[in-house]
Amino acid sequence: GQNIDQPTEMTATEGAIVQINCTYQTSGFNGLFWYQQHAGEAPTFLSYNVLDGLEEKGRFSSFLSRSKGYSYLLLKELQMKDSASYLCAVMDSNYQLIWGAGTKLIIKP
Amino acid sequence: DVKVTQSSRYLVKRTGEKVFLECVQDMDHENMFWYRQDPGLGLRLIYFSYDVKMKEKGDIPEGYSVSREKKERFSLILESASTNQTSMYLCASSAREGQTDTQYFGPGTRLTVL
Repeated sequence: GQNIDQPTEMTATEGAIVQINCTYQTSGFNGLFWYQQHAGEAPTFLSYNVLDGLEEKGRFSSFLSRSKGYSYLLLKELQMKDSASYLCAVMDSNYQLIWGAGTKLIIKP
Repeated sequence: DVKVTQSSRYLVKRTGEKVFLECVQDMDHENMFWYRQDPGLGLRLIYFSYDVKMKEKGDIPEGYSVSREKKERFSLILESASTNQTSMYLCASSAREGQTDTQYFGPGTRLTVL
């Protein structure tokens, strides 16, 4: 079966760095997405990785290792507004997105 | 900016009622999707559509149907609502951009079935 695993909840301090991991087992691979979802709101697109390596976008970076079925989202200089759920999703061989359950990130002052 | 709108943010219905959830996107996207989101679970795909009048079942289509009469509009229909359909419903759209296919989401409809 297809499976996406990510931690349920993480806590970090304002100004610090946090890494949210995602491991996956899917039928084929056509890219991995990270979305941010604030409570009660829609998911918003953060990043897309299809090749191995690190993609940096401001305070957020996303890493992919296809051979290990592994990705992480790195958030630097954490701000209170980064408190949200972070969703990992993999596009399979049929171009369907398989979603993880999300990681709730709590930022403390 | 892509804009996806949904007809209601909150909806309360009674068991057995027919429920319509509407979704409209303004970016001329070919692909539209309906998901439900429940605590502790990933988004689950109900139905999707790659073109007008075309529909495909997702992972959990039972109890739902859809309609896509116009490119910009994708409707989700609960023929006879049941309490286990209480959930957050999210609509999304995407265009083929090489392999990216980034999905853009509407604000969601939180449906409660009593």
